[in-house]
Amino acid sequence: DTGVSQNPRHKITKRGQNVTFRCDPISEHNRLYWYRQTLGQGPEFLTYFQNEAQLEKSRLLSDRFSAERPKGSFSTLEIQRTEQGDSAMYLCASSQLAGALTGELFFGEGSRLTVL
Amino acid sequence: TQLLEQSPQFLSIQEGENLTVYCNSSSVFSSLQWYRQEPGEGPVLLVTVVTGGEVKKLKRLTFQFGDARKDSSLHITAAQPGDTGLYLCAGVFGGQNFVFGPGTRLSVLP
Repeated sequence: DTGVSQNPRHKITKRGQNVTFRCDPISEHNRLYWYRQTLGQGPEFLTYFQNEAQLEKSRLLSDRFSAERPKGSFSTLEIQRTEQGDSAMYLCASSQLAGALTGELFFGEGSRLTVL
Repeated sequence: TQLLEQSPQFLSIQEGENLTVYCNSSSVFSSLQWYRQEPGEGPVLLVTVVTGGEVKKLKRLTFQFGDARKDSSLHITAAQPGDTGLYLCAGVFGGQNFVFGPGTRLSVLP
């Protein structure tokens, strides 16, 4: 399977614990995005990378959230000191920047976080 | 902050009916995309529109981009149960960040 892969698919944690999600994008894609989606809502932008550079980060993203893409391939999203309000589906998407205005976002199946 | 609105929020129709859903913003899009998302899966791209006034057809789906590039519509003809899902519009504003609307949840009953 050469699609976007995310793991774990499900994570249940207690409030105050740290969690980390991993995303493996499509190999030739140089852009990687993280979104958060709650039930009944559209995906909410968190951050994106072009290669290893983090180009934009949502103002809604608290300092408890950090994302990395150290070698321009896979990415990790860490949430420190989780809160119940962090419970959501965390979606990763990748795209190929080719000089055009837009590219298609290819999404993974998401990592569902439940904070008790 | 660029915001997209979608209407209606929910839509439940019978198989064979036609429907239209809308996506609006006060800002001008560089381009706009429509995605469909099914439960437990990530969104999947349906179409990209770039030019104001553009109309694209994908089988029973017709997508229109407003002349001012601030709004878009998706029309489905003769809806089928397989069309059930969450329809999301995503706007690109100048840069390369995709901003999603809240979605329209469509249910097509057999």
